[in-house]
Amino acid sequence: GNSVTQMEGPVTLSEEAFLTINCTYTATGYPSLFWYVQYPGEGLQLLLKATKADDKGSNKGFEATYRKETTSFHLEKGSVQVSDSAVYFCALSEGTGGSYIPTFGRGTSLIVHP
Amino acid sequence: GAVVSQHPSWVICKSGTSVKIECRSLDFQATTMFWYRQFPKQSLMLMATSNEGSKATYEQGVEKDKFLINHASLTLSTLTVTSAHPEDSSFYICSAPLGLEGFNEQFFGPGTRLTVL
Repeated sequence: GNSVTQMEGPVTLSEEAFLTINCTYTATGYPSLFWYVQYPGEGLQLLLKATKADDKGSNKGFEATYRKETTSFHLEKGSVQVSDSAVYFCALSEGTGGSYIPTFGRGTSLIVHP
Repeated sequence: GAVVSQHPSWVICKSGTSVKIECRSLDFQATTMFWYRQFPKQSLMLMATSNEGSKATYEQGVEKDKFLINHASLTLSTLTVTSAHPEDSSFYICSAPLGLEGFNEQFFGPGTRLTVL
């Protein structure tokens, strides 16, 4: 079956540091890949997505590139802010015959200090 | 963007009682919705797929008689935790995809915090 593996947290950084959160996946076909973010006390919301190989998703300074050869979708940001402190979930969704159950990673907590 | 609401946002109940949680897509129709349980260390566990007009599909290990799901309309799915016990205390989240394909994103409800005394 499909699976998503993301790095263990928490990730603790100082403001303006570079961020990488690793995500790798296994899938039977050609999934779409997503990063969702959950801010404290809120529900999950989409951060960015990529639907095919070599696509780059980007939003709010975050980027992730769909790497089919390494089955990865690592999240990066060049300069994090305190307001980026949240839990980040990597996910995939595979549209196969009308079935597209999403698969989520365990989540990575990011803590950014001033 | 599309909005999904959940009600209630939190509930406290006595052991042995049943609790109903509603998930609504406010500005789009959702033939499918998903129910998750989020554990204290953040991980999301998919519980079931709610299908409008048909039976829900439960993930392995999830008791369908314990967690009753009804998808009565294209904008409403309900999860009823029957005879709740303290171990059922958790954060329950629903989501709905916009569109018919897996390439579209999930829109999440804000979650419901259930505490069983």
